[in-house]
Amino acid sequence: AQSVAQPEDQVNVAEGNPLTVKCTYSVSGNPYLFWYVQYPNRGLQFLLKYITGDNLVKGSYGFEAEFNKSQTSFHLKKPSALVSDSALYFCAVRDEYNNDMRFGAGTRLTVKP
Amino acid sequence: GAGVSQTPSNKVTEKGKYVELRCDPISGHTALYWYRQSLGQGPEFLIYFQGTGAADDSGLPNDRFFAVRPEGSVSTLKIQRTERGDSAVYLCASSPTESNTGELFFGEGSRLTVL
Repeated sequence: AQSVAQPEDQVNVAEGNPLTVKCTYSVSGNPYLFWYVQYPNRGLQFLLKYITGDNLVKGSYGFEAEFNKSQTSFHLKKPSALVSDSALYFCAVRDEYNNDMRFGAGTRLTVKP
Repeated sequence: GAGVSQTPSNKVTEKGKYVELRCDPISGHTALYWYRQSLGQGPEFLIYFQGTGAADDSGLPNDRFFAVRPEGSVSTLKIQRTERGDSAVYLCASSPTESNTGELFFGEGSRLTVL
């Protein structure tokens, strides 16, 4: 079955610095990869996805993610972090055979002024 | 409405009681998912509907949990003989496509507390 791992429970960065939130995955066949963000007491919001094509995908709020097949990774990045980016971030995966989307445990991002 | 609507937003019940949680997906979305999120955890898959039928219910933890979607729109998650371990936020999501390349649109969840 497909699965994802988010190795960091917490990531702290200073405002204006670049940020990276890590994700690795395991699937049978081709992976379909997603990032979601969750603000306090809110539902998950879709940020971006990789289905096929260019390994660097761009999404909402200036976020981007790089798909690396050899390392089975899909790290989320942003060149310059904002305090308002502070939230819980979830990586998720489907494979080409199953429709259920599996989520990682989440990474709490804190951006300090 | 514009988004996925879940009711109630909060439900407190006693151990052994029956609970129903409702999800109203985005209009026209054919695929509907239920997830459960415990504190400090990521969403855990429960069940997926294509139209009226449950295409995959492999995530339901035991036979106390059941979900229906009789007309292919609103769905109800039903929990019998609730236990304290059922306490969590139950998330509903819908998608306009049944393709597994589509993203999910989530509601704000129903927080269930079993005393």
